[in-house]
Amino acid sequence: GENVEQHPSTLSVQEGDSAVIKCTYSDSASNYFPWYKQELGKRPQLIIDIRSNVGEKKDQRIAVTLNKTAKHFSLHITETQPEDSAVYFCAATPSGNTPLVFGKGTRLSVIA
Amino acid sequence: DAGVIQSPRHEVTEMGQEVTLRCKPISGHNSLFWYRQTMMRGLELLIYFNNNVPIDDSGMPEDRFSAKMPNASFSTLKIQPSEPRDSAVYFCASSSEGPHYEQYFGPGTRLTVT
Repeated sequence: GENVEQHPSTLSVQEGDSAVIKCTYSDSASNYFPWYKQELGKRPQLIIDIRSNVGEKKDQRIAVTLNKTAKHFSLHITETQPEDSAVYFCAATPSGNTPLVFGKGTRLSVIA
Repeated sequence: DAGVIQSPRHEVTEMGQEVTLRCKPISGHNSLFWYRQTMMRGLELLIYFNNNVPIDDSGMPEDRFSAKMPNASFSTLKIQPSEPRDSAVYFCASSSEGPHYEQYFGPGTRLTVT
């Protein structure tokens, strides 16, 4: 089955700097790669996703890149703000209505 | 749309008691997922349904866990008997077919078994 590895487990950046979180996956059948943000005590919330037919997607300060050949994808957050502090999870699955396999999460701290 | 609804939000029970968690998916969504989140194991799938039919229950820990989806707007996850190691946050999520099939999570049920 699918296995998703996520690095780093913790990340601390200064406000205004960029943050990068990387994930690798094992199953070449995976075609959908969402990223979720989870604040303490809250539900995971989808922040951006990418499908295998594109290599990069951007939404304001957030971007995701995908390399299907190498089986890795990354989340990039620019101009970080204190409210970006949360745990971020990557996931992979063949399609959106099949189960997600999650990475272990990255705890991002943005220091003001 | 109210989003995915779960109840109760918090449940504290004693070992050996039966626990029932409830979920109402987003209207029009035809896939429903039950995930469990713990510090040790992270977010993991327990079971998922497509058009009310259980498709994959390989993540259900053991026979103490059971799930049903009697109709498109309601699902339950039951633990009987509960054990302290079942303490976790249980999330329900739903998605639809078609070009926009993102999974949306409910607020979760925090279960504590003493």
